[in-house]
Amino acid sequence: AQSVSQHNHHVILSEAASLELGCNYSYGGTVNLFWYVQYPGQHLQLLLKYFSGDPLVKGIKGFEAEFIKSKFSFNLRKPSVQWSDTAEYFCADEDSGSARQLTFGSGTQLTVLP
Amino acid sequence: DAGVIQSPRHEVTEMGQEVTLRCKPISGHNSLFWYRQTMMRGLELLIYFNNNVPIDDSGMPEDRFSAKMPNASFSTLKIQPSEPRDSAVYFCASRQGATTGELFFGEGSRLTVL
Repeated sequence: AQSVSQHNHHVILSEAASLELGCNYSYGGTVNLFWYVQYPGQHLQLLLKYFSGDPLVKGIKGFEAEFIKSKFSFNLRKPSVQWSDTAEYFCADEDSGSARQLTFGSGTQLTVLP
Repeated sequence: DAGVIQSPRHEVTEMGQEVTLRCKPISGHNSLFWYRQTMMRGLELLIYFNNNVPIDDSGMPEDRFSAKMPNASFSTLKIQPSEPRDSAVYFCASRQGATTGELFFGEGSRLTVL
């Protein structure tokens, strides 16, 4: 079964600091990876996704993620965070089987201090 | 498009009562997912449908939970009888592809069982 690990449960940063959130996935053949964001009181929204090609993926709001196959990692980065980035961030892995269900990590709560 | 529509947004009920959560996926989407989110367990996949057919319900906690998708534009998640430990936010999500792609989430239904 697929599994996704997010080791940082809560990250606190000041505005303008750089961000890197860790995500590791279990090997399962074809890899489709996602980062979703959940702002306070809202539903999950897609930040970015990786299916194939360039391992450095750029998403919305200045976020990017790098797929490193040798490390089974798909870390999320942003060079300079803003207060409005305060949210919970979920890494997800799409099952490579025929069913293609999405398995989410436990999430990382990011708090950006003004 | 209005996005994925869930109702009710909030439900407070007493233990033992029946609860029905509803979801209208985005028109043209072929897959529908029900997730439960709690502080303790994060995001859990309960069940998902491809082309109105349940594919995997192994995430459904127990027989008290049931889900149906009578047509491509409507799904229900029913809990009968409800228990306090069922309190959570229940998200519905839909996906255009039957086998892969971005999930679009609804706003969620916050259930409180007293």
